[in-house]
Amino acid sequence: SQQGEEDPQALSIQEGENATMNCSYKTSINNLQWYRQNSGRGLVHLILIRSNEREKHSGRLRVTLDTSKKSSSLLITASRAADTASYFCATVPPSSSNTGKLIFGQGTTLQVKP
Amino acid sequence: EAGVAQSPRYKIIEKRQSVAFWCNPISGHATLYWYQQILGQGPKLLIQFQNNGVVDDSQLPKDRFSAERLKGVDSTLKIQPAKLEDSAVYLCASSSEGIYNEQFFGPGTRLTVL
Repeated sequence: SQQGEEDPQALSIQEGENATMNCSYKTSINNLQWYRQNSGRGLVHLILIRSNEREKHSGRLRVTLDTSKKSSSLLITASRAADTASYFCATVPPSSSNTGKLIFGQGTTLQVKP
Repeated sequence: EAGVAQSPRYKIIEKRQSVAFWCNPISGHATLYWYQQILGQGPKLLIQFQNNGVVDDSQLPKDRFSAERLKGVDSTLKIQPAKLEDSAVYLCASSSEGIYNEQFFGPGTRLTVL
């Protein structure tokens, strides 16, 4: 079953603008991860945030986590055409704390126009 | 370092036929995953191996799907007989042990069942 739901389903912006994607999930988590998928490089891990963390940065990426609202957001600053891809959040529920099993959301499709 | 290898990249078969997919994980990665990704959805875990033992196969349709990981390295996923709804991309991923480790994905096999 899909645990995470991304919002919006699709997003179109101009190069240089910021892009924000949101993820909501249903059960408690051990950690939450964001992945990017495009035709060129397949599915690639972007960033992991643990349940006791509230914010994390990696280059132009900023991830926040609000466990009280069961939600996370991914912000991409100064977007580039190469950021065009689908973005998925994936959660590890406590029941999978010894296996690392990921449950993926439906994804947000981001288009960055040159 | 070499990534996760999968073959074939594309496969077209008719319903009720059999098909097999092969995966070679990153060297040294103990955990191997098979996912099914239907168009427009996020990946769904089918089966997870830790070395050559099955950790989770709760979402594997065992009446038609089977998987093995001999010697704890390469893995094969088989569908017999295939149904129309099995049309999807089958992704293999691997990771080192631990729940905070990212998963590395292969390019996937796109299966079309006619």
